[in-house]
Amino acid sequence: GQQVMQIPQYQHVQEGEDFTTYCNSSTTLSNIQWYKQRPGGHPVFLIQLVKSGEVKKQKRLTFQFGEAKKNSSLHITATQTTDVGTYFCAGSIQGAQKLVFGQGTRLTINP
Amino acid sequence: DAGITQSPRHKVTETGTPVTLRCHQTENHRYMYWYRQDPGHGLRLIHYSYGVKDTDKGEVSDGYSVSRSKTEDFLLTLESATSSQTSVYFCAISESEGALGYTFGSGTRLTVV
Repeated sequence: GQQVMQIPQYQHVQEGEDFTTYCNSSTTLSNIQWYKQRPGGHPVFLIQLVKSGEVKKQKRLTFQFGEAKKNSSLHITATQTTDVGTYFCAGSIQGAQKLVFGQGTRLTINP
Repeated sequence: DAGITQSPRHKVTETGTPVTLRCHQTENHRYMYWYRQDPGHGLRLIHYSYGVKDTDKGEVSDGYSVSRSKTEDFLLTLESATSSQTSVYFCAISESEGALGYTFGSGTRLTVV
């Protein structure tokens, strides 16, 4: 079945350092979504990428969708303590009514 | 998030007992999903629904059943709970296939002892 792999599983950074998480799919995706889950909370939708090679920015967050629509990345510039949490990518294939989530990357930050 | 609630928020149950978790939405969204979250596995789909009385299995459906008799309610039942079903369960809704993001409930922490 469709698999979405996400790395790294954990990342610890000093506040102010950059952070990147990567997502890879075994199949071509129709779109990819990113979610953030704060400790003890529930996943919250951040963004959706649809087009091949698409890049979107939200303040310090930059999201990319690969040319082959099989991989994606989330980059955070100059992390802040409010960025702490687990970041999930989730992909869907054409015609499917459900997302497949990556395992998530847990980000912790040393202030 | 407003518009989706899960109940109960926490539950401890004994092995072999039936358990039903409820997801209620006020958004009139067509699609509803049940996920479980376990360390190292992320979010795994149990069952989903694409309309009243229309449901289908996800990747980890064994030991679980669902029902959707009304648009607003999606029930997840563990027929005979096992310790491997100890997990955090999240319900999610979406307006349409490929819609801009799922909205998740606050989750139910289930412990099977």
